[in-house]
Amino acid sequence: DQQVKQNSPSLSVQEGRISILNCDYTNSMFDYFLWYKKYPAEGPTFLISISSIKDKNEDGRFTVFLNKSAKHLSLHIVPSQPGDSAVYFCAASARSGGSNYKLTFGKGTLLTVNP
Amino acid sequence: DVKVTQSSRYLVKRTGEKVFLECVQDMDHENMFWYRQDPGLGLRLIYFSYDVKMKEKGDIPEGYSVSREKKERFSLILESASTNQTSMYLCASRTYSGSPANTEAFFGQGTRLTVV
Repeated sequence: DQQVKQNSPSLSVQEGRISILNCDYTNSMFDYFLWYKKYPAEGPTFLISISSIKDKNEDGRFTVFLNKSAKHLSLHIVPSQPGDSAVYFCAASARSGGSNYKLTFGKGTLLTVNP
Repeated sequence: DVKVTQSSRYLVKRTGEKVFLECVQDMDHENMFWYRQDPGLGLRLIYFSYDVKMKEKGDIPEGYSVSREKKERFSLILESASTNQTSMYLCASRTYSGSPANTEAFFGQGTRLTVV
């Protein structure tokens, strides 16, 4: 039972255009959402996050939007650059009990930015 | 900078061997995690620990155990390695900051384990 879903395995965009990566979740207890970027043979690196009390968070070229009623979030990258080519993971956090906060990841979306 | 260090980048082990994957973090984080990454399956949580000697099963704990004797170190143990445990293993740590937990997890560089 997948609680965090990234339904697009891959996305290809032209350099300079907008990249939109989507993520859906099913667990209404999730209260914090994160996006990670991963290159092959490396660990994921944190990109941007959003708390459930907000609907938008922006950091430079990266903006994350959260629609709680639809249980949907998206990552916008503008403008896209070839160096953005990587796998992007959506993750969500929920309290598991006490101070236990479990991080659940989606399957990832491979973004390719073409020069 | 937070540093999460995994003891090996690449490992090759034989079927049936007991395998230890070590992870050390230097930021006094309470929470530590072990994930495995497989093509088409994303990052799946094996185990996590929220304090010394405390652990909780993730989504795919079968065939694995963990140990957290010190706060900075979280070990993943494959009791009897099998070929279906060939994977990329990723360790992460995260601080606990109350509710909601509005902090990111930091990952190590990963260990590519091949079981032959």
